[in-house]
Amino acid sequence: KQEVTQIPAALSVPEGENLVLNCSFTDSAIYNLQWFRQDPGKGLTSLLLIQSSQREQTSGRLNASLDKSSGRSTLYIAASQPGDSATYLCAVCNTDKLIFGTGTRLQVFP
Amino acid sequence: NAGVMQNPRHLVRRRGQEARLRCSPMKGHSHVYWYRQLPEEGLKFMVYLQKENIIDESGMPKERFSAEFPKEGPSILRIQQVVRGDSAAYFCASSLDSFKDTQYFGPGTRLTVL
Repeated sequence: KQEVTQIPAALSVPEGENLVLNCSFTDSAIYNLQWFRQDPGKGLTSLLLIQSSQREQTSGRLNASLDKSSGRSTLYIAASQPGDSATYLCAVCNTDKLIFGTGTRLQVFP
Repeated sequence: NAGVMQNPRHLVRRRGQEARLRCSPMKGHSHVYWYRQLPEEGLKFMVYLQKENIIDESGMPKERFSAEFPKEGPSILRIQQVVRGDSAAYFCASSLDSFKDTQYFGPGTRLTVL
C-alpha cells in the first residue's frame, strides 16, 4: 500500500530564504508526482507535475526533483516571499488515483 | 478557460438529510475525481469517473455514498442520510485524457452536518 510522508510538518522562515520541502513515498511504481499548494479554506493549486521518467521540473522560483528509485521528491523554493505562505502537498499517481501526503505548512514572515 | 467549478461552496445539512455536491470539470476534460478532506486530515481519494462510467470507487464508503457523471451535466456526489462524521471538505478534480495527466482541482464544497 502506497504511503506518502512529508517533512517537516511545519516551517516558519524569514522572507528571502531558500527552502526545501521533502516528500517520500513507499512504492516506487508511480506514474508521476504532483506538488500542490493549498491556501486556508481554499482548493488546491497545481504547482508542478513530474513524470516518472523525469528527474526535475521548474516553474519560476520553484524547482521539484524526483528520485523514483529512492522514493523521494523535493520542492525547492527560491527567495521565499510572504505570499508563499500556504500548505504544500505532494501527491503520487499510483494506479489511477492520487495519494496525498499530509502536507508542510509554510509561513514566510516579512 | 474556466477552471473546475463546484457548488455549493458551503452546505449545511441536519443529520438524516441528503447532500448533493456538484462538479463541472474543465472544458474538454472527461475524467473526474472526488476527494475528501476530513478536519485535520489529508486528502483521501473517493471515486474516479469518466463520462457515464465509474472507473474506480475503491475509496467510497460502502453505504450512503454514490457518484455519477452523466453524459450531459455535472458530476454529482450524493450522500444520503448524512451523519456528523460526513462533515468535511469535498474536492473535485478533472483531467484531460487520463489519470496520468495533471489533475486540476475545484475550490471544494464544505459540508457541515448539524
